[in-house]
Amino acid sequence: KAGVTQTPRYLIKTRGQQVTLSCSPISGHRSVSWYQQTPGQGLQFLFEYFSETQRNKGNFPGRFSGRQFSNSRSEMNVSTLELGDSALYLCASSSDGEAFFGQGTRLTVV
Amino acid sequence: QKEVEQDPGPLSVPEGAIVSLNCTYSNSAFQYFMWYRQYSRKGPELLMYTYSSGNKEDGRFTAQVDKSSKYISLFIRDSQPSDSATYLCAMNNNDMRFGAGTRLTVKP
Repeated sequence: KAGVTQTPRYLIKTRGQQVTLSCSPISGHRSVSWYQQTPGQGLQFLFEYFSETQRNKGNFPGRFSGRQFSNSRSEMNVSTLELGDSALYLCASSSDGEAFFGQGTRLTVV
Repeated sequence: QKEVEQDPGPLSVPEGAIVSLNCTYSNSAFQYFMWYRQYSRKGPELLMYTYSSGNKEDGRFTAQVDKSSKYISLFIRDSQPSDSATYLCAMNNNDMRFGAGTRLTVKP
């Protein structure tokens, strides 16, 4: 069974740009969550999607948005990038309370 | 007060030692409890998943949950250098909450 796939693995963007990250969950998993991980703040919850609907949202500004498609694949978008958005962005797919993570996308904003 | 408290360490032990990692939490609604291992520059890997109070063993790893005390633990027996990683506790009701992670180094 394939795991959670995140693309791209690495990204370098400049301030003010926007970025779109992609996540393909484990086959059959309908829940996809996104997290931001930084050395100072640890893992912080961004949002969760279930069957194409946002079910939960963390405390992040509106520049962070996401969506889920009918095949459960999810995208996350960050607009007007700031230096502080540099982080590892992790996607997790869940079923029955168990969450499995992808390898993450490391975003560097310069 | 954070919902989930975990000592970030770092924790350094000799090879073969028993390692004890702990988390406390404040939200009694949490139902699922997990431990993840994260190597540098990788995503977290699910190690243990438990639902109820008590112990769950998987090879060298034992997860312990005490819901009455809001306390969970992960024990690693016969620790190996390959166990060197950051260990994150996590708990879930509707939302998943993570501990800060404990960085563990096992020295040969």
